[in-house]
Amino acid sequence: DTAVSQTPKYLVTQMGNDKSIKCEQNLGHDTMYWYKQDSKKFLKIMFSYNNKELIINETVPNRFSPKSPDKAHLNLHINSLELGDSAVYFCASSATGIKNIQYFGAGTRLSVL
Amino acid sequence: SQQGEEDPQALSIQEGENATMNCSYKTSINNLQWYRQNSGRGLVHLILIRSNEREKHSGRLRVTLDTSKKSSSLLITASRAADTASYFCATDASGATNKLIFGTGTLLAVQP
Repeated sequence: DTAVSQTPKYLVTQMGNDKSIKCEQNLGHDTMYWYKQDSKKFLKIMFSYNNKELIINETVPNRFSPKSPDKAHLNLHINSLELGDSAVYFCASSATGIKNIQYFGAGTRLSVL
Repeated sequence: SQQGEEDPQALSIQEGENATMNCSYKTSINNLQWYRQNSGRGLVHLILIRSNEREKHSGRLRVTLDTSKKSSSLLITASRAADTASYFCATDASGATNKLIFGTGTLLAVQP
């Protein structure tokens, strides 16, 4: 079983559309994350939830809205997609503790045309 | 920018050779981790070194940490074609909750 799974793997859409990416982890972790990796492979944290509570919210446009219905799921909804949103989005999870080792999903490649 | 930096950006070696990549960071840390990313895949944790450690080994991996210079290095010995991937360091800033700051990555190509 995949530990951190996100869907879809690929997402191609037009500018202005709204889309969602889903993430689920079966590791029993209580913290989940969304990262954005751009074309130069820079990986930046966007959001983090701990037990359904938002704990990290980097300077991300309001068009991005995360939702955590329970601690095993963290979804990302993006409104009014722009060309600059094209990237690979990674979900990750970790157990609360001093080590903070994170487990990543396979990524969702978003292409905005 | 808080982003750490890694060098080299890209490294090409022959199978059996050793590969060394370096990471510099900007803030005080609790620990430093190295991750591997195969093409088209997610990141996979390789090894963690705490701020009070200077060296750590795991199989063919050797990590060093110099907190006075805010730098770390990852050595992969006896490289294999399967080691071809991007390697990222990530720092867990002191006082920050669960936040990892990733380096810019080193793309390693191991030629068979």
